[in-house]
Amino acid sequence: GDSVTQMEGPVTLSEEACLTINCTYTATGYPSLFWYVQYPGEGLQLLLKATKADDKGSNKGFEATYRKETTSFHLEKGSVQVSDSAVYFCALSDLEAGNNRKLIWGLGTSLAVNP
Amino acid sequence: GAGVSQSPSNKVTEKGKDVELRCDPISGHTALYWYRQRLGQGLEFLIYFQGNSAPDKSGLPSDRFSAERTGESVSTLTIQRTQQEDSAVYLCASSLGTRGHGYTFGSGTRLTVV
Repeated sequence: GDSVTQMEGPVTLSEEACLTINCTYTATGYPSLFWYVQYPGEGLQLLLKATKADDKGSNKGFEATYRKETTSFHLEKGSVQVSDSAVYFCALSDLEAGNNRKLIWGLGTSLAVNP
Repeated sequence: GAGVSQSPSNKVTEKGKDVELRCDPISGHTALYWYRQRLGQGLEFLIYFQGNSAPDKSGLPSDRFSAERTGESVSTLTIQRTQQEDSAVYLCASSLGTRGHGYTFGSGTRLTVV
């Protein structure tokens, strides 16, 4: 079945460092791909998404490109801030019945940014 | 409403008691999902409602767990005879249910069974 694999955390960076959180997936068709973020003590928020190959999702300085050839959707940011400290979840849509039913989730990657 | 609303935000209950968690989705969102998130872990799918279709209950961990949703409105997740391993944050999300549309999550209910 479909699955999502994220790099394990925690990831600890200094402010203004470059961030990459790897996410790879297995899917039988053409899923939509998502990154969600969970700030401390808060619920999950959609960060960005891409619905087809070569699409680039972007938000708040974060970017991820849907790479079908490598089945990847790595999250990147050129210069992280302390406020980016959170847990990041990669997810893909379940194509059953052709709609966005259950999302398949990665286990999450914790990011801590130090001043 | 403007977002997904869950209540209560925190619940402490004694082992063996029943609890009921409530989720009020975004108006017009046909799909509603319940997830469980244990401390420091990922999301565990529990149940999914889509419009008037039969719910997908494949993630419910035991028959102590049940959920209802009336039409496209409020949903309640009920845990009977709570156990300590039920302690977790229970997250509700809603969605338009169409391809490429992400979920909007509520802030969750933190359940502690003592």
